[in-house]
Amino acid sequence: DVKVTQSSRYLVKRTGEKVFLECVQDMDHENMFWYRQDPGLGLRLIYFSYDVKMKEKGDIPEGYSVSREKKERFSLILESASTNQTSMYLCASSQTTGGRTSGQRAHEQYFGPGTRLTVT
Amino acid sequence: AQSVTQLDSQVPVFEEAPVELRCNYSSSVSVYLFWYVQYPNQGLQLLLKYLSGSTLVKGINGFEAEFNKSQTSFHLRKPSVHISDTAEYFCAVSYTGGFKTIFGAGTRLFVKA
Repeated sequence: DVKVTQSSRYLVKRTGEKVFLECVQDMDHENMFWYRQDPGLGLRLIYFSYDVKMKEKGDIPEGYSVSREKKERFSLILESASTNQTSMYLCASSQTTGGRTSGQRAHEQYFGPGTRLTVT
Repeated sequence: AQSVTQLDSQVPVFEEAPVELRCNYSSSVSVYLFWYVQYPNQGLQLLLKYLSGSTLVKGINGFEAEFNKSQTSFHLRKPSVHISDTAEYFCAVSYTGGFKTIFGAGTRLFVKA
């Protein structure tokens, strides 16, 4: 069974704090993703990584950074938490077929249980 | 731009009735298509996927979906729903040439007794 785990299910932080969300997958997947999920807005991609130390901005990267030092671990960092970052955060991992330069397509994503972050 | 449209934000239905959740995507030469389900306070779980081959795809919990290339649709169906099917359902697409998957906004299915 593929497992994607997230460090916390619920987190409460104060405005201005630095926040770390950790994600670990055990399937040796190349790709890892961080999304935030808000009512009526679906899933919005924050950052993704297709290899160790590689990262790409998603649709809403402002106010966030990421780190991928090991293949199985992908961390999301909120440099200075703000109330508008209160949300559900979902981590996912996936395989890719095809080569790095062309023709690749992403297979299904495996999701962690989510971290509900509240910033007060 | 690549996009996925789920045509209904909420679908109420009575138990044991059939249901269809609609999904359309922007056209491309080749795609992978997915449906995910999310139960309250949980992550997303894969329901079914279309990679190639037969256009009718069967998934878990009695769900199935049909890939229609000419209409760029991938509608999800179940002939008889249960209360336990109450959840949010997401359609998703991955296109050739990228690592990312594009998700629809979700359809909330309410099954009433």
